[in-house]
Parts: sequence; structure tokens; C-alpha cells
Amino acid sequence: QQQVKQSPQSLIVQKGGISIINCAYENTAFDYFPWYQQFPGKGPALLIAIRPDVSEKKEGRFTISFNKSAKQFSLHIMDSQPGDSATYFCAAALGNQFYFGTGTSLTVIP
Amino acid sequence: ETGVTQSPTHLIKTRGQQVTLRCSSQSGHNTVSWYQQALGQGPQFIFQYYREEENGRGNFPPRFSGLQFPNYSSELNVNALELDDSALYLCASRYDTGPYEQFFGPGTRLTVL
Repeated sequence: QQQVKQSPQSLIVQKGGISIINCAYENTAFDYFPWYQQFPGKGPALLIAIRPDVSEKKEGRFTISFNKSAKQFSLHIMDSQPGDSATYFCAAALGNQFYFGTGTSLTVIP
Repeated sequence: ETGVTQSPTHLIKTRGQQVTLRCSSQSGHNTVSWYQQALGQGPQFIFQYYREEENGRGNFPPRFSGLQFPNYSSELNVNALELDDSALYLCASRYDTGPYEQFFGPGTRLTVL
């Protein structure tokens, strides 16, 4: 059973636009929700993370919105740039176990 | 760069063989986790080592095993390789306490023929 469901699978956005990626989870015991960015040939790199007692967290152009009652969280990338083109993974963690979504391939067109 | 390194970068094995993948964690990180990332999928948790002891395991069979050494290095061993073991294998290290932030290495691409 997929613990974390991620959508869309792929996303194309114009430069300067807003990219939005959504995730939903099942287990209400999850207590840490990170987003990772992965470039080809590289390992995932932590982008931003949130805990369930906070509804929103912003770091620069990246914002996580968290809806505990709906068991959903999303990543918003404002003013998207071509350098943001990468694969993005959401994850949910409980203790030492991380469950990843299936990834979203983001392409930002100049 | 995260300070986490993995070797080798690529590896080709045949079905039934055994393989050892290596990871060098960031200095001071007592915890290392290993993940399997199939093509087009998210990483799947294999297991975690904390101070040289396995302290968590995902849904992987016993032929996946590991070791962690005092010098912040670790190994993932896979016996009796199967075609479905072809994937990118990632290690990630972190401090034993803290807000779960973990730092991934670049991975080892394993191909099983």
C-alpha cells in the first residue's frame, strides 16, 4: 500500500509561474514531512520540511502548505526558474522510517 | 555537496551474484539509512543503522544486509541478486538526534543482468 501519494507525475510551467505539487498520506502518526529535490545523477537534497503542528512554512520561493485534517500537504514554488527543473519528492516520516512519494518531474520553460 | 559519498558509481552484476555497496557518511553522523530507488520511483527504505546496530528495517528480505563501522562508513550487501534488484541505491546519514534531516549521497546505480 502506497503510504504517500504524489501528484502530478509531471508538470510543465512557464518561467515566473507557480509550480504546485500535492501529496496525501494515510498514517496520522507521521510527524515530519520533507520535500526533496533530485537532479539527474544526484541523490535527493532536502528542500524544505514541516511538522504537523504548523500549517505553512515558507523558505524563499518555496512554501509548504499542510492540511492535517485532510491529510494533505503541498509544495508551492513561486517565480519558477529553469534551474528549478528537477524531480521533486514528498515524504512522510515516522521515527526512523521515511516513506516517499513517486515523484514529480518539473520542467520550467524559459 | 552533502559530504556523503558512495562507491562505486555504477555496477553491473549477473543474477545470483552477491554485491557490496559502500557509503561514507558525513563526519559526526551516527545514523545511516539505505534506500532503493527504482527507475521513475521514489526511494524505498531498506534499513537504518545507528551506532553499528540495525534499528529499523523496511519491507526487504534478509538477503539485504548491512554493516556500519566506527569511522562513519557503512556497507549494503545484497546476496542472490535478482533482476528486480536493478536500481539506484542511496545512503543517507544524519545525527542521531535532531529534526530528522538526512543527507543523501549520489547513489550507486546497480544493474543486474
